[in-house]
Amino acid sequence: GDSVTQMEGPVTLSEEAFLTINCTYTATGYPSLFWYVQYPGEGLQLLLKATKADDKGSNKGFEATYRKETTSFHLEKGSVQVSDSAVYFCALTVNQAGTALIFGKGTTLSVSS
Amino acid sequence: EPEVTQTPSHQVTQMGQEVILRCVPISNHLYFYWYRQILGQKVEFLVSFYNNEISEKSEIFDDQFSVERPDGSNFTLKIRSTKLEDSAMYFCASRETSGTSGGQFFGPGTRLTVL
Repeated sequence: GDSVTQMEGPVTLSEEAFLTINCTYTATGYPSLFWYVQYPGEGLQLLLKATKADDKGSNKGFEATYRKETTSFHLEKGSVQVSDSAVYFCALTVNQAGTALIFGKGTTLSVSS
Repeated sequence: EPEVTQTPSHQVTQMGQEVILRCVPISNHLYFYWYRQILGQKVEFLVSFYNNEISEKSEIFDDQFSVERPDGSNFTLKIRSTKLEDSAMYFCASRETSGTSGGQFFGPGTRLTVL
């Protein structure tokens, strides 16, 4: 079935370090891909999305490119801040009617000053 | 900025009791969802709702679960007879448009603890 695999966390970085969180997917159709972020004590927030191959989603300095050839959607940020500490979820949808999101397990990012 | 709200933030109940989790989706959104996240596990889809009926549901959403949009603003999830394994964070989400390109907007969640 359709699924999302994320790198295991936690990821611990110093402020201003480069961030990569790997995400790969398996899907029978042509999925849309998303990154969601969950700050401590809060709900899930849509961070960025890409709806077709080679699209790049970007927001708040984060980027991810939809790579169909490698079935990947890795999240990157050039210089992380302490305020980026959160759990990051990669997700996809393939079903046109219900458009249920299928999530990865989440990757915890901890940034120290 | 409009947001999805959920009440209560934390619900504690005894096994076998009924619970109703409440959500107020964003006002012009048409598609509504419930997801749950058992502690330490991934977020799992439960059900989607459109035009006053269920459009999709997962294997988790068995006869113990039901959803309702009793008025123009609320969207509820009812668990008829709670089990210990229903303990989880339950998230409501809503989306404005059809198709797969629009993102879903999530509420802050209700933590359900079944004793």
